Amino acid sequence: SQQGEEDPQALSIQEGENATMNCSYKTSINNLQWYRQNSGRGLVHLILIRSNEREKHSGRLRVTLDTSKKSSSLLITASRAADTASYFCATLSAYGGATNKLIFGTGTLLAVQP
Amino acid sequence: EPEVTQTPSHQVTQMGQEVILRCVPISNHLYFYWYRQILGQKVEFLVSFYNNEISEKSEIFDDQFSVERPDGSNFTLKIRSTKLEDSAMYFCASSVGVSGGNQPQHFGDGTRLSIL
Repeated sequence: SQQGEEDPQALSIQEGENATMNCSYKTSINNLQWYRQNSGRGLVHLILIRSNEREKHSGRLRVTLDTSKKSSSLLITASRAADTASYFCATLSAYGGATNKLIFGTGTLLAVQP
Repeated sequence: EPEVTQTPSHQVTQMGQEVILRCVPISNHLYFYWYRQILGQKVEFLVSFYNNEISEKSEIFDDQFSVERPDGSNFTLKIRSTKLEDSAMYFCASSVGVSGGNQPQHFGDGTRLSIL
């Protein structure tokens, strides 16, 4: 698989439930970022986790990073209909010097049913 | 909250024509980027720009593409002679510092470019 693959590709849950999305990547990273994209809109930055961090929280969001498995997960707790969107992970490579190039995954389409 | 703004939201252009996509990054940001997303595909990096010069570009960013910061607020992407395969959503982004310094990139809502 390519750098930044999310699973599942699509996830449908009921309001109030938790949603977990996973991201796998291939090369060593400097950091990993999660973004949300509402239909037809831009990418909204959610959270950044550094390669030396294992877990990070922001409101209802919890991100974990396992560099040994080259994977990350995004947990949204107590989901709301407004959380319906596509969620992408994006990695910043640890190689290539002072790169700012984010490599995006394929995304998970989350649908939260009211 | 400050935002990255992009204009126009939708641009329709005949193949072979030049097109300029415009962006106003967040005012105190120093690093600027263009990405694109072809329908149904991943978001792809095109170019990064700092201190009035390109700092990094991808293989996609060939001689048909150019970027410019003509004044203190605008950041533009020009495609010199558009092709059908240039049809995509183009996103501008900016960051206050380098992403390697763990500064997030903030994106605009994009310009949907349709080449006929």
